[in-house]
Amino acid sequence: NAGVMQNPRHLVRRRGQEARLRCSPMKGHSHVYWYRQLPEEGLKFMVYLQKENIIDESGMPKERFSAEFPKEGPSILRIQQVVRGDSAAYFCASSPTRGTNYGYTFGSGTRLTVV
Amino acid sequence: GENVEQHPSTLSVQEGDSAVIKCTYSDSASNYFPWYKQELGKRPQLIIDIRSNVGEKKDQRIAVTLNKTAKHFSLHITETQPEDSAVYFCAASSTGNQFYFGTGTSLTVIP
Repeated sequence: NAGVMQNPRHLVRRRGQEARLRCSPMKGHSHVYWYRQLPEEGLKFMVYLQKENIIDESGMPKERFSAEFPKEGPSILRIQQVVRGDSAAYFCASSPTRGTNYGYTFGSGTRLTVV
Repeated sequence: GENVEQHPSTLSVQEGDSAVIKCTYSDSASNYFPWYKQELGKRPQLIIDIRSNVGEKKDQRIAVTLNKTAKHFSLHITETQPEDSAVYFCAASSTGNQFYFGTGTSLTVIP
C-alpha cells in the first residue's frame, strides 16, 4: 500500500500564478481531507471531499481556493492568483468511510512557496 | 467551533526524563483526541489516540490521559530518547469530518 501520495513535493509560484496540488488517497479510500500548515503553526482544516462531492468546505478561503475530487484521478486543490501569504505546507489525508473517528494518515505534503 | 489550546510551546528535557504536554478543548461534543508527531520537513504521524469513553491509554513509553469534565488531555512520554525530539500536536474531533489542532509543542531531548 503506497499510502497517501501528494505531488509535487515542492512548488514555487510567482505572485498571480495558479497552483495545483494533487492528492491520491490510499487504496480503497474515497474520502479526502486537505489541511494547511503555515510556518511554525498547527494544521488548519480546509476542506473535506468525497468522490465528486464537497462535504465540508468551512475552512476554505472564499476566494481563489477551490477543491475537487473527481470520479477518476486524484483530488486537486487549486489556488488561483497566489499571494505571498499562501506560502505554506499543504497536507492531505484520506479515510475509507465518512466521518470516521480515527487518526487518518497524512501524505508527505506539498510545500508551496510564492515568490 | 472547537478551540484547542496546547502548552508548552517548547519543552527541553534531559534524556531519560519524562515529558508532559497538555491540551484543553472547548467543545464538549468532541469525542476523539489523536496526537501527532512531526519531524522537521516531514508529515505529521499519528502516535497515539484516545476516545472519550476511556480515561487513559498507554503504548510502551507513550501514554495519553483524558479528563472530560475539565476538557483537557495530556501526552506523557517516559524515558525520553533523542529520537523523541520533534514537534507534537494534539487534536480534537467530534464528527471525524475535521480535526482541530493545537499549535504544537517543540520537544528537545538533550543527550
